Amino acid sequence: TQLLEQSPQFLSIQEGENLTVYCNSSSVFSSLQWYRQEPGEGPVLLVTVVTGGEVKKLKRLTFQFGDARKDSSLHITAAQTGDTGLYLCAGARDSNYQLIWGAGTKLIIKP
Amino acid sequence: SAVISQKPSRDICQRGTSLTIQCQVDSQVTMMFWYRQQPGQSLTLIATANQGSEATYESGFVIDKFPISRPNLTFSTLTVSNMSPEDSSIYLCSAADLDGSSGNTIYFGEGSWLTVV
Repeated sequence: TQLLEQSPQFLSIQEGENLTVYCNSSSVFSSLQWYRQEPGEGPVLLVTVVTGGEVKKLKRLTFQFGDARKDSSLHITAAQTGDTGLYLCAGARDSNYQLIWGAGTKLIIKP
Repeated sequence: SAVISQKPSRDICQRGTSLTIQCQVDSQVTMMFWYRQQPGQSLTLIATANQGSEATYESGFVIDKFPISRPNLTFSTLTVSNMSPEDSSIYLCSAADLDGSSGNTIYFGEGSWLTVV
C-alpha cells in the first residue's frame, strides 16, 4: 500500500506569516494534486503537478513537486484569514484515476 | 471541468434504515468514485462506480452495505444500508476525466452529511 504522509496535521498561525505543508512518500507518483476544503463543501482542486522538479504558483501559493516525484510541498506566503481550511494532497499512479490521499492539514489563520 | 451535484446535502437518519445518495455530473466523465470523510480528516475511498457493471469496492467496504449504481456516464447512486451511528459521516461523490499532459483531474461534489441516530 502506498502511503502519503502529510505534515503538519494542524497549523495555527497569525495572518501575514508564511507556512509550508509537506507531503512525502517512498513511492513515485505520476502526478500529485493539492486540494482545499472548507467546512460543508467538497474538496476543490488547487493544482496538479506532473513533472519532477516542477514549481507552480497560484497567487500567494507555491507548489513544488520533488525531483523524484515522491514528495511535494505547498508554501503560502503572507497567509490571510481566507486561507483557513483543510488542505489535502493526493498522489496518482500511472494511468490510474485512484488517488492516494494524505491525512490533511487543518490550517487556521488568525487575524 | 465538471460540476457535480449531490443530494441530499444533509440528512438525519434512523438506525437500521437505508439512504440513497444521488450524484449527477453535468458532463460525461470516465470515472466516478464514492468517498467517505470524517469532518476535518482525509478521504477514504469506498468504491469506484463502473458504468453498467458492479462497482469495485475497496478493502473494508462491501456491496451489501454500500450498493452502488451507475447507469450512465453522468449519474451514480450510493446507498448506505442498515445504518448505524458509525456510518455518520460525509459521503462525497467524485468524477475524473483524463486531462492529457496535465494529469488526471478529479472533481468533487459538495458532499452529503449523514447523521445516524
